[in-house]
Amino acid sequence: DTAVSQTPKYLVTQMGNDKSIKCEQNLGHDTMYWYKQDSKKFLKIMFSYNNKELIINETVPNRFSPKSPDKAHLNLHINSLELGDSAVYFCASSSQGYHNQETQYFGPGTRLLVL
Amino acid sequence: GDSVTQMEGPVTLSEEAFLTINCTYTATGYPSLFWYVQYPGEGLQLLLKATKADDKGSNKGFEATYRKETTSFHLEKGSVQVSDSAVYFCALSANSNDYKLSFGAGTTVTVRA
Repeated sequence: DTAVSQTPKYLVTQMGNDKSIKCEQNLGHDTMYWYKQDSKKFLKIMFSYNNKELIINETVPNRFSPKSPDKAHLNLHINSLELGDSAVYFCASSSQGYHNQETQYFGPGTRLLVL
Repeated sequence: GDSVTQMEGPVTLSEEAFLTINCTYTATGYPSLFWYVQYPGEGLQLLLKATKADDKGSNKGFEATYRKETTSFHLEKGSVQVSDSAVYFCALSANSNDYKLSFGAGTTVTVRA
């Protein structure tokens, strides 16, 4: 029944490793997002996909690569993990509607710790 | 560019106290404004929103009015409960095609019994 789900919930890994975070939404939305929340709770958009097409790609290192196999899924792959990548990563989705008025629905977050 | 500035926390209150969290924004055009809440260990959820000037959003006893003249969207609640302890984020979505939310820094609110 979870509207936006993410796996895993917790991820502890060593520097230099490659990892993936998966996101799925069952709301029938067209648009999905990845946000990063740092240790001070500050939230910043990383990527956004609309109908599987990349529409936002903020200044994010190219070690981060999103992939949207279909409208309901948006995965985030991170290569060569660094200490500074430790954060909580949130997936979100929204309907297309009237673009800037739509509510975004957030997943529970993936807490990534790089050692 | 578009940005949101909100009151720094943390804020600690007693139950039944009045809560105000200030939020001002900078944006071109006519953004939509949102308050999201993050309870401990959870993702964000929408608390309320307003999509045009003078609109008032309200939910769970919280209110905020979209004031274009002062570029503000302050959050208020008349009588807080312990269950209102959370981090509150003010956000805007600009009138563009990129759908993104620009968030304020978040305000941590703790309500004590």
